[in-house]
Amino acid sequence: DAGITQSPRYKITETGRQVTLMCHQTWSHSYMFWYRQDLGHGLRLIYYSAAADITDKGEVPDGYVVSRSKTENFPLTLESATRSQTSVYFCASSGSGRGETQYFGPGTRLLVL
Amino acid sequence: AQRVTQPEKLLSVFKGAPVELKCNYSYSGSPELFWYVQYSRQRLQLLLRHISRESIKGFTADLNKGETSFHLKKPFAQEEDSAMYYCALKYNYGQNFVFGPGTRLSVLP
Repeated sequence: DAGITQSPRYKITETGRQVTLMCHQTWSHSYMFWYRQDLGHGLRLIYYSAAADITDKGEVPDGYVVSRSKTENFPLTLESATRSQTSVYFCASSGSGRGETQYFGPGTRLLVL
Repeated sequence: AQRVTQPEKLLSVFKGAPVELKCNYSYSGSPELFWYVQYSRQRLQLLLRHISRESIKGFTADLNKGETSFHLKKPFAQEEDSAMYYCALKYNYGQNFVFGPGTRLSVLP
């Protein structure tokens, strides 16, 4: 039961470095999402994708880049990490249609020093 | 704009007591509402969706369109219910979700 996985689970990096967080789902869901979770802010949408090669900005996209060349993968790249990007990042996927919900990955804890 | 509010950041109750986690939303269209639960250091999991009208782990939630609310209730709280609870609104028939800020439920022995 693979479902939706994220890697790495924990990452420490330095300011200015590029970091890529991976997300993989085995359900062939058309929709995929990236959120960040911070104390006091709950979950905030960074980017989402409705299908391969279709991505769109969420609430807090600045400093992040996404791509989706394959349906099952949705990597999130921090081009030049900043301390304010220290957070827990969750990937999620969803099928289309009414009643469909989002299924979340286990999260990646990122610390930017 | 679509918005979900959860007025309580932290809710503490004693084991066996009733619990109600409040959720209000603003959306002009036909909403789909969900409750997610996140246990310590785990992923978010779907708890309830309003269209299913189900009871999961003793929790229920009723959509009240007049009051634009979707409060989560349980008659007798258990210690294992201690977790973070998020209310979420799905809108525009796409898969756009907006989450509330979350309520941390602490069930005391």
